[in-house]
Amino acid sequence: AQSVAQPEDQVNVAEGNPLTVKCTYSVSGNPYLFWYVQYPNRGLQFLLKYITGDNLVKGSYGFEAEFNKSQTSFHLKKPSALVSDSALYFCALSNDMRFGAGTRLTVKP
Amino acid sequence: GAGVSQSPSNKVTEKGKDVELRCDPISGHTALYWYRQSLGQGLEFLIYFQGNSAPDKSGLPSDRFSAERTGGSVSTLTIQRTQQEDSAVYLCASSLGVGLDTEAFFGQGTRLTVV
Repeated sequence: AQSVAQPEDQVNVAEGNPLTVKCTYSVSGNPYLFWYVQYPNRGLQFLLKYITGDNLVKGSYGFEAEFNKSQTSFHLKKPSALVSDSALYFCALSNDMRFGAGTRLTVKP
Repeated sequence: GAGVSQSPSNKVTEKGKDVELRCDPISGHTALYWYRQSLGQGLEFLIYFQGNSAPDKSGLPSDRFSAERTGGSVSTLTIQRTQQEDSAVYLCASSLGVGLDTEAFFGQGTRLTVV
């Protein structure tokens, strides 16, 4: 079965530190992978996607994600976290847009 | 319209009543998805449509839930005999097509409260 998994329910980082939100996938063939963010009391917004080519994908708000085929991962990263990055993050596989369980990121001042 | 539109934005209903939630996707988007999100929790996948067809209905929580899409556009999610555990935000999204390399766009959701 094709699926994505987010192994961490919660990630806490201090402002200014790098952050990583993990996502792994299981799919036959080449995946299209996405990251979305949900800020408090707001809808889901698209952050970035991997289709093909460069394994490092850059997206909105300074986020990037690294596609690793051998580890079947697509981790979301940011070099320096902001308090305003605190939100719920979801990765998704495009075959039918099923999402991971979500990771709540909290950035503390 | 420019984005995915859901109506109503809020719905309060009495236990046992039927409710209909509506989703109007972005024009030209053939794929449409329904999700349920309990307060601050993850996205529970309910169903998707490619055109008017829903290949997999196994995500619907019970036989009280049904969904349809007509004309490849508007979709309705119907919940019969609502229960308190149905209270949640119901989100709709659309994309150019299932399995493509394009992202989905989300509506603002319908907040359903069953009292």
